[in-house]
Amino acid sequence: AQKITQTQPGMFVQEKEAVTLDCTYDTSDQSYGLFWYKQPSSGEMIFLIYQGSYDEQNATEGRYSLNFQKARKSANLVISASQLGDSAMYFCAMREATMDSSYKLIFGSGTRLLVRP
Amino acid sequence: DTGVSQDPRHKITKRGQNVTFRCDPISEHNRLYWYRQTLGQGPEFLTYFQNEAQLEKSRLLSDRFSAERPKGSFSTLEIQRTEQGDSAMYLCASMDGTQYFGPGTRLTVL
Repeated sequence: AQKITQTQPGMFVQEKEAVTLDCTYDTSDQSYGLFWYKQPSSGEMIFLIYQGSYDEQNATEGRYSLNFQKARKSANLVISASQLGDSAMYFCAMREATMDSSYKLIFGSGTRLLVRP
Repeated sequence: DTGVSQDPRHKITKRGQNVTFRCDPISEHNRLYWYRQTLGQGPEFLTYFQNEAQLEKSRLLSDRFSAERPKGSFSTLEIQRTEQGDSAMYLCASMDGTQYFGPGTRLTVL
């Protein structure tokens, strides 16, 4: 079974600095996908970035990048130039196949990020 | 707004009452998912539809829970005889390759 582990319950970062949120995963599949979502206090899960297991390059989306280390089974999220609006819960998730070749998401327990002014 | 919408956003009910939540997916998405998120945890998969067909249900979905998507558009999630343990955020997502989530319905069972 797939498993996602996020070991940092909470993190602080100074505004304009970079921060890394850790995520490790466990799977026996050769092909898999990893996602990061942001959840502000309003509750909505906002998709940030995706990394496929066969992607040769680390994924980047604006200020978000994914530090993908396949041998270590880690997919850490790096947020550069932190902004106050980045304060939120961040969830790492893995794709698990459903019966019709679609997928459902398996989430970690999340990391709460607080950006200090 | 063309995102996923959910109604109501908040629901407070007494133990033993029935509640129903609605999810309207992004219009061109034929896959729709329900997740449950308890305090301090990540969301957990409950069930999934492709068009009107319910293809998978988690063991978390006890017989008090039922979900429908009668015309392959909006979906409803009903909880019968609510219990305090049902208090959670219920999230809906629709998919075109990436799952996009709605704002959730926060349920409080007193």
